Amino acid sequence: DAKTTQPPSMDCAEGRAANLPCNHSTISGNEYVYWYRQIHSQGPQYIIHGLKNNETNEMASLIITEDRKSSTLILPHATLRDTAVYYCIVRVASWANSGYSTLTFGKGTMLLVSP
Amino acid sequence: GAVVSQHPSWVICKSGTSVKIECRSLDFQATTMFWYRQFPKQSLMLMATSNEGSKATYEQGVEKDKFLINHASLTLSTLTVTSAHPEDSSFYICSARDPTERVLLPWGTFGSGTRLTVV
Repeated sequence: DAKTTQPPSMDCAEGRAANLPCNHSTISGNEYVYWYRQIHSQGPQYIIHGLKNNETNEMASLIITEDRKSSTLILPHATLRDTAVYYCIVRVASWANSGYSTLTFGKGTMLLVSP
Repeated sequence: GAVVSQHPSWVICKSGTSVKIECRSLDFQATTMFWYRQFPKQSLMLMATSNEGSKATYEQGVEKDKFLINHASLTLSTLTVTSAHPEDSSFYICSARDPTERVLLPWGTFGSGTRLTVV
């Protein structure tokens, strides 16, 4: 699996857009980019994923560069409840059952949303 | 969307006793469930993978006799920490995978976690 690099922490004012970057320069053509977050003392929460095209859902937008070597998760109007650790993961999407046991979230980016 | 319920959310137990944690998929059948442990300021560590009706597969270094996993039905998996000791205090998280979504959500949907404190 491709390795990802994220800044350790970011700050964002409430109501502003939070843009969280992720570098995955060794990504291969069949690997998806997934984003999860973990609010303190809760289980991880799926946010969004994409392969090549930009994606948007009710939670966030995912912008993937044309060369797919980096991506940005955008929370358009951050709230205090968005304070969490955000994880960027690159993984092959496969019907095979093997390999998922090696899931590691890495250190992620601690996003602090302030009033 | 898929919902996974984990219970209890926190538990305090005495050293030497056993604690059972439940993980339920509420609106889907989970053929595979995962159990993780997370220490403060660290990432999740996979402990074991359980498939309904078969024995769990434990990760290296995880004692299967200490962390008993049962996945007797398609909607319920349990983790029992036997003879708990203070070093077992941690945040335990389960996830349940919907087989119809295993391609795009390979790690399943996570429960809310259980904070175990052994005193």
